[in-house]
Amino acid sequence: GQQLNQSPQSMFIQEGEDVSMNCTSSSIFNTWLWYKQDPGEGPVLLIALYKAGELTSNGRLTAQFGITRKDSFLNISASIPSDVGIYFCAGQTTSGTYKYIFGTGTRLKVLA
Amino acid sequence: DTEVTQTPKHLVMGMTNKKSLKCEQHMGHRAMYWYKQKAKKPPELMFVYSYEKLSINESVPSRFSPECPNSSLLNLHLHALQPEDSALYLCASSLGSSPLHFGNGTRLTVT
Repeated sequence: GQQLNQSPQSMFIQEGEDVSMNCTSSSIFNTWLWYKQDPGEGPVLLIALYKAGELTSNGRLTAQFGITRKDSFLNISASIPSDVGIYFCAGQTTSGTYKYIFGTGTRLKVLA
Repeated sequence: DTEVTQTPKHLVMGMTNKKSLKCEQHMGHRAMYWYKQKAKKPPELMFVYSYEKLSINESVPSRFSPECPNSSLLNLHLHALQPEDSALYLCASSLGSSPLHFGNGTRLTVT
């Protein structure tokens, strides 16, 4: 089946540093979403991308939908302690409007 | 606060029990989803309802039975579960193909 591979799997960074993570697949996706999940809570939407090549920002977050429609990246600038959590990408498959599959996740830890 | 409400927050059940998970949204979304998430893993799609009709069943065992009584409510009926079914069960909703909005989940433990 379709899989989304995220990298890195986990990362420790210093407060104030910029962070970059990406999501790749061998399949094409129609939409890319980026979520953050804190312990004991559901994923919260950060950014949605709808067109190949699209670059979208949300505060300190920037994400891009790859030209090939097979990848996406998320950048976080000037990280702060509350950025700690697990970041998931999710892709809307071409086989159905409602079918979203999730990447393997990137666990972010910020050192103050 | 999330606009998708799930109850209960925690549930412990035996393998012979019958229980239900509930999900409610009032955002006017017409698609509702159940995802299962094991620790340190991504959410895995189980079911999708679109306009109160089941549109996706990802080959989920019949001991999980979804129900969508109306466009705002989604239930997941549980019967004869196994310990490996212990997980966080997430409900989500969307307006058509718009992004998913998740609830905070029900933490299920099967003993």
